Amino acid sequence: QVQLQESGPGLVKPSETLSLTCTVSGGSFSTYYWNWIRQPPGRGLEWLGYFYYTGSTNYNPSLNSRVTISVDTSKNQFSLRLTSVTAADTAVYYCARSGAVADTIYYWGQGTLVTVSS
Amino acid sequence: QSVLTQPPSVSAAPGQKVTISCSGSSSNIGNNYVSWYQQLPGTAPKLLIYDNNKRPSGIPDRFSGSKSGTSATLGITGLQTGDEADYYCGTWDSSLSAVVFGGGTKLIVL
Repeated sequence: QVQLQESGPGLVKPSETLSLTCTVSGGSFSTYYWNWIRQPPGRGLEWLGYFYYTGSTNYNPSLNSRVTISVDTSKNQFSLRLTSVTAADTAVYYCARSGAVADTIYYWGQGTLVTVSS
Repeated sequence: QSVLTQPPSVSAAPGQKVTISCSGSSSNIGNNYVSWYQQLPGTAPKLLIYDNNKRPSGIPDRFSGSKSGTSATLGITGLQTGDEADYYCGTWDSSLSAVVFGGGTKLIVL
């Protein structure tokens, strides 16, 4: 059974960079899409982007190039970097795995709350 | 402003049936598979339906999905109080090259 676990700081200052890591157990990085999704308090889901096992990435165009997703297969981890954060980036951040096609999210981490505040 | 449109809330009594709609366009629902997710309070979303109408292992057949044109529908029969949750539709948008979600529908079991 695939399990994902997010980790990283729960508080980030405005204008700084948010960095989170997702540790994957029970599966390999091959064949699948590895996603980051966020959910502001009391609001809906927003897809941030994915890393595909071939090395390609795809990001939500609304984030204006602030987001980067990378993978460290030796550690079974993938990471999110979101630059120049503001209070609007306060959210629960989920790492998640799609299947052989990106459109369906099969496995989700439990989520981690990141608050942007000085 | 979500790309996919869902009603903010629906309600029904225990044992009854409810449907949740998800409306999109030809660049998303019209030409791609739709998934549905259940998010119980304080937890991560969970996949309920994929490829428009398929259920992952462990999801009861009380949950069903359908798609017609640029709209999709989630149906839940035999409602239970434990079904109270937020439900989201999702799909790929070929114009945006992005995974998109609906705004979510809160199901209230009266």
